[in-house]
Amino acid sequence: EPEVTQTPSHQVTQMGQEVILRCVPISNHLYFYWYRQILGQKVEFLVSFYNNEISEKSEIFDDQFSVERPDGSNFTLKIRSTKLEDSAMYFCASSAENPRGQPQHFGDGTRLSIL
Amino acid sequence: SQQGEEDPQALSIQEGENATMNCSYKTSINNLQWYRQNSGRGLVHLILIRSNEREKHSGRLRVTLDTSKKSSSLLITASRAADTASYFCATDAGAGGTSYGKLTFGQGTILTVHP
Repeated sequence: EPEVTQTPSHQVTQMGQEVILRCVPISNHLYFYWYRQILGQKVEFLVSFYNNEISEKSEIFDDQFSVERPDGSNFTLKIRSTKLEDSAMYFCASSAENPRGQPQHFGDGTRLSIL
Repeated sequence: SQQGEEDPQALSIQEGENATMNCSYKTSINNLQWYRQNSGRGLVHLILIRSNEREKHSGRLRVTLDTSKKSSSLLITASRAADTASYFCATDAGAGGTSYGKLTFGQGTILTVHP
């Protein structure tokens, strides 16, 4: 069964550095998402992406965050100047066709640790 | 309470017993979804129920939705040790064509099934 893959599985970065988290969504999916889960807390929506542009973003997704689909297969999340509070699991998800009423398929996540 | 609150927070049962988890939410929804998360892994979609549906079945899973009470329940029948995981409800509150699949997750229920 097709799956969403994320790399790396664990990223350790110094505070203030830039990180890029990578995702390969399911190939025929059209909608892409990033979520994060701080340890012990809820999964939180960050951003949705469709037709090469952001569809919706949360308050968390401020100017330090950006997303890109550079080559038609990868979907990346960039955090420009990382802060300690960015430490979390970051999940990529994708869905087919119209996402209203479609399940989202999640990757296994990237654990981001900011030192 | 916040959107998508599950109870109980933790549930411990014996193999073969049924497990029931509840979810409450505050806003009107387009659909409600249930996901499972095994430790250290991503979220796996279980079942989606739309706002105009009252009950849905998938294998050993039964989901109900009461939009008047803004609540849902997930029943797992004849539980197995492999069902041990965290279970989350997630609401898609999109309406009027403005949602692109943003999911709001609850805190989750940790289910432990003892062999």
